Amino acid sequence: KNQVEQSPQSLIILEGKNCTLQCNYTVSPFSNLRWYKQDTGRGPVSLTIMTFSENTKSNGRYTATLDADTKQSSLHITASQLSDSASYICVVSVAGGTSYGKLTFGQGTILTVHP
Amino acid sequence: GAGVSQSPSNKVTEKGKDVELRCDPISGHTALYWYRQSLGQGLEFLIYFQGNSAPDKSGLPSDRFSAERTGGSVSTLTIQRTQQEDSAVYLCASSFDGRSYNEQFFGPGTRLTVL
Repeated sequence: KNQVEQSPQSLIILEGKNCTLQCNYTVSPFSNLRWYKQDTGRGPVSLTIMTFSENTKSNGRYTATLDADTKQSSLHITASQLSDSASYICVVSVAGGTSYGKLTFGQGTILTVHP
Repeated sequence: GAGVSQSPSNKVTEKGKDVELRCDPISGHTALYWYRQSLGQGLEFLIYFQGNSAPDKSGLPSDRFSAERTGGSVSTLTIQRTQQEDSAVYLCASSFDGRSYNEQFFGPGTRLTVL
């Protein structure tokens, strides 16, 4: 069964600090992995996307890594801001067939940044 | 340009009633997805439309759920005889086409509450 597991479930940090969120997946056949940010009451917004050949991808203060061998990904947030408070969702896409474009979602990590 | 829009933003209904949720995808996007996000749960795939192809309905939880996409654009998700366990946020997403690398752009969701 395709699964995506994220840790921690929730995280509280002080503004300006860095943090790293983890994602493990057992999705096959693997196509790509995305990290989404979901603000309260909003739909998810894509931060990064990586295929199996990409090890790292950055988007401003967000840096995602991917180890396709161990099926692990991380999202590192640098110099956190209050606006980073959100749920961060790891999403893995299955390749081919009737699963074309179908995504498997993790449950998300709820990040709270305190001043 | 406009993003994905959904209506209504909130819907409160009584158990046993039917509800219709609407999604307007980004113009030109041929792929459209419906997801359900229950409290404390990850997003759950419901149904996928790609162009004029038969939809992938494999995620619909019961025959009370159905969806249509008229003219390859607007989509309606219908839930008949609603149950309390149907209470969730229903998210719609669209992408340029169904290829797994293409980003899915999400709407803000419809929060459904079944009393």
